[in-house]
Amino acid sequence: KQEVTQIPAALSVPEGENLVLNCSFTDSAIYNLQWFRQDPGKGLTSLLLIQSSQREQTSGRLNASLDKSSGRSTLYIAASQPGDSATYLCAVRSGTASKLTFGTGTRLQVTL
Amino acid sequence: EAGVTQSPTHLIKTRGQQATLRCSPISGHTSVYWYQQALGLGLQFLLWYDEGEERNRGNFPPRFSGRQFPNYSSELNVNALELEDSALYLCASSLGLGAGNEQYFGPGTRLTVT
Repeated sequence: KQEVTQIPAALSVPEGENLVLNCSFTDSAIYNLQWFRQDPGKGLTSLLLIQSSQREQTSGRLNASLDKSSGRSTLYIAASQPGDSATYLCAVRSGTASKLTFGTGTRLQVTL
Repeated sequence: EAGVTQSPTHLIKTRGQQATLRCSPISGHTSVYWYQQALGLGLQFLLWYDEGEERNRGNFPPRFSGRQFPNYSSELNVNALELEDSALYLCASSLGLGAGNEQYFGPGTRLTVT
């Protein structure tokens, strides 16, 4: 059974800092990994999708890496802004069920 | 291009009633997924439909059911509502059965059971 863990659970940083969010998964036989952002009480916004054959993906100030063999992914956010404050979720797609298995999220607060 | 839409935004029901939630996928997407996000429990997979068929379901009781219509929109039904069914229900869609296909999420329906 796939299990996904995110560390840290919460993070508070001053504006302008670079930061790293971590995601680990127990079954390395994945199809892909997605990073999402969720604002309070809202749906999910997809940030980056990394296929199992890829090592990293970049979008603007975001960079996500994937090390499938060790069961780890990191989301790097450069030059953080108050608008980045949200909960960040990673999810892996594995097995034949096509479902996503989600981590519990990292709640990020970027302060002025 | 319109994203995934869900209705209603909020739904308030009493224990024992039935709730019906609706989802319209992105145009061209044939797969629809339902997830439950209950307070303190994280996002849990509920159901997956593709081409009108239920392809997989999560570890939820049979009173959670649904269907997918010929236009690929979907309906989630929750019978005999219990207090613990109160949650944000999220719908996602993707292109077909391809394992690499990205899932796009709607804004969710907030179900409150009193």
